[in-house]
Amino acid sequence: NAGVTQTPKFQVLKTGQSMTLQCAQDMNHNSMYWYRQDPGMGLRLIYYSASEGTTDKGEVPNGYNVSRLNKREFSLRLESAAPSQTSVYFCASSEGYRASYSPLHFGNGTRLTVT
Amino acid sequence: QQQVKQSPQSLIVQKGGISIINCAYENTAFDYFPWYQQFPGKGPALLIAIRPDVSEKKEGRFTISFNKSAKQFSLHIMDSQPGDSATYFCAAPKRSNDYKLSFGAGTTVTVRA
Repeated sequence: NAGVTQTPKFQVLKTGQSMTLQCAQDMNHNSMYWYRQDPGMGLRLIYYSASEGTTDKGEVPNGYNVSRLNKREFSLRLESAAPSQTSVYFCASSEGYRASYSPLHFGNGTRLTVT
Repeated sequence: QQQVKQSPQSLIVQKGGISIINCAYENTAFDYFPWYQQFPGKGPALLIAIRPDVSEKKEGRFTISFNKSAKQFSLHIMDSQPGDSATYFCAAPKRSNDYKLSFGAGTTVTVRA
């Protein structure tokens, strides 16, 4: 039972390069999320997808795009990486959209460094 | 601007001691207050959660205390063990009609043997 799988685990980019972070869940969850984690900032929501076919902005969406490819997969794209995007990125999923009834299940993260 | 303020940033406790982490929230319409635990190199995982209709919830050595009038809730780790060494995040829904969670900044707990 894999849960939420993120690839790659580590990535180093040069400023201006692009890349896509991949996320897949095998729990048949409806909602998926992308968070970034920075020291002293906690977890901040970048984008989320309440259900297949829908996506919406979170707290810090600038510089990112997402695609909900199907119910299982939710990708995060950096079109032109900047040093400010150096962070650890977490994908999460939940059974339902309402946070109070659906705990978040997180992957193990992608550590991204932009030089 | 964080809607959930967490303290302390870090704490060190001896094995067998009590760890206490506090969170303060702003939106009085919040109806769900979870705590997540994160080990190094791993993603956070739900540890325990409480709703405001109760003042305390206990699961094993972990207890959440809730003070609605003060808009605060706390995590107590009793009989702390080295395996409890982790980062702990409190969270709450951002607004009464918004189901996304806002996380605190996190508390790194180190339990010394």
